[in-house]
Amino acid sequence: DAGITQSPRHKVTETGTPVTLRCHQTENHRYMYWYRQDPGHGLRLIHYSYGVKDTDKGEVSDGYSVSRSKTEDFLLTLESATSSQTSVYFCAISESTSPNYGYTFGSGTRLTVV
Amino acid sequence: EDQVTQSPEALRLQEGESSSLNCSYTVSGLRGLFWYRQDPGKGPEFLFTLYSAGEEKEKERLKATLTKKESFLHITAPKPEDSATYLCAVQAPGGKLIFGQGTELSVKP
Repeated sequence: DAGITQSPRHKVTETGTPVTLRCHQTENHRYMYWYRQDPGHGLRLIHYSYGVKDTDKGEVSDGYSVSRSKTEDFLLTLESATSSQTSVYFCAISESTSPNYGYTFGSGTRLTVV
Repeated sequence: EDQVTQSPEALRLQEGESSSLNCSYTVSGLRGLFWYRQDPGKGPEFLFTLYSAGEEKEKERLKATLTKKESFLHITAPKPEDSATYLCAVQAPGGKLIFGQGTELSVKP
């Protein structure tokens, strides 16, 4: 697929444990986004980044933190996983905030918190 | 508040039976409206961007249209391979995309 990889693809973890999801891109795009997708809610923005070490919160950021130390990597961390964070997580990249540049999505990480 | 609502939630068609999916939106300053296709177990795949009311775009059996309050995705003579979830999103000032809940389309042979 086009230059964006998410890892792991699937993960089962226990309540209260920390979890880190990774998004890696080879497109050198400035903007990176983390979304979660749940039935009945669609895709909701968790955090986004507009450059190395520049990040901001989305609409559902509670319980999540992010880091971007390199252009190509955007990490999403659940400090202490809860069952409500069971979801499918998607990373997206974009070259610009102009609507002429759409988002490219990764294949997703299915996270189950038991 | 910026919001996107898609209808219906699910649509079942027979092969060749044309129909339309609806995306209603409210946003403070529309910069673009996007349609994506999502297959099970995969990430959304870009289909179209519409920028202003009256604009139309086509791709194979799909045609997207835009008014000041809604967008339609028309599917003409669908085939089973058109089965997927179709997502609509609007871009708000600042560049973030706000998504609707999607319409799950099933086309039976």
